[in-house]
Amino acid sequence: SQTIHQWPATLVQPVGSPLSLECTVEGTSNPNLYWYRQAAGRGLQLLFYSVGIGQISSEVPQNLSASRPQDRQFILSSKKLLLSDSGFYLCAWDRYSYEQYFGPGTRLTVT
Amino acid sequence: SQQGEEDPQALSIQEGENATMNCSYKTSINNLQWYRQNSGRGLVHLILIRSNEREKHSGRLRVTLDTSKKSSSLLITASRAADTASYFCATAGNNAGNMLTFGGGTRLMVKP
Repeated sequence: SQTIHQWPATLVQPVGSPLSLECTVEGTSNPNLYWYRQAAGRGLQLLFYSVGIGQISSEVPQNLSASRPQDRQFILSSKKLLLSDSGFYLCAWDRYSYEQYFGPGTRLTVT
Repeated sequence: SQQGEEDPQALSIQEGENATMNCSYKTSINNLQWYRQNSGRGLVHLILIRSNEREKHSGRLRVTLDTSKKSSSLLITASRAADTASYFCATAGNNAGNMLTFGGGTRLMVKP
């Protein structure tokens, strides 16, 4: 069966510090991968998606970047965090179907 | 901007009652999905309804889709306290690959 992991689960970082969030998928190959951000009490905003290694598409201009160094690994990064980067970050995958499968999320607080 | 908008934003009911949540969207779709999110957790896929379907059932869930009105509803029958969660609709466009656009969600509280 397929599983998706995200870490860390929670993170508190000062403004201006770098960020690296990691997402890995097990039990499937060549998945589509997605990074979403969710503000408190709100819906999901798609940040990045990837259909293959090294292929990243960005949905919104922002202070963040994404990379896919391996087939089942998706990384969300920032060189310098802003207060507005705080939120709940969710990674998801799908393959051949429209149904997406989500990781447990990372709660980021920028202070 | 969000494609789907849920209504109501919050709903509080007693255990055993039915809960109905609505979703409206703006552009043509390939399918519409409903997801559930427990507080502080990831989303879980509940049900998918294709644009050529009008109604779909899964256990205590019933989803309807009216493409002429660009709206969908999720009905949870005989609700339980464990159904307390946020529910989101998500739409897949006809020309957007597998990408989904999520609504703002309905927060459902089921009181025991």
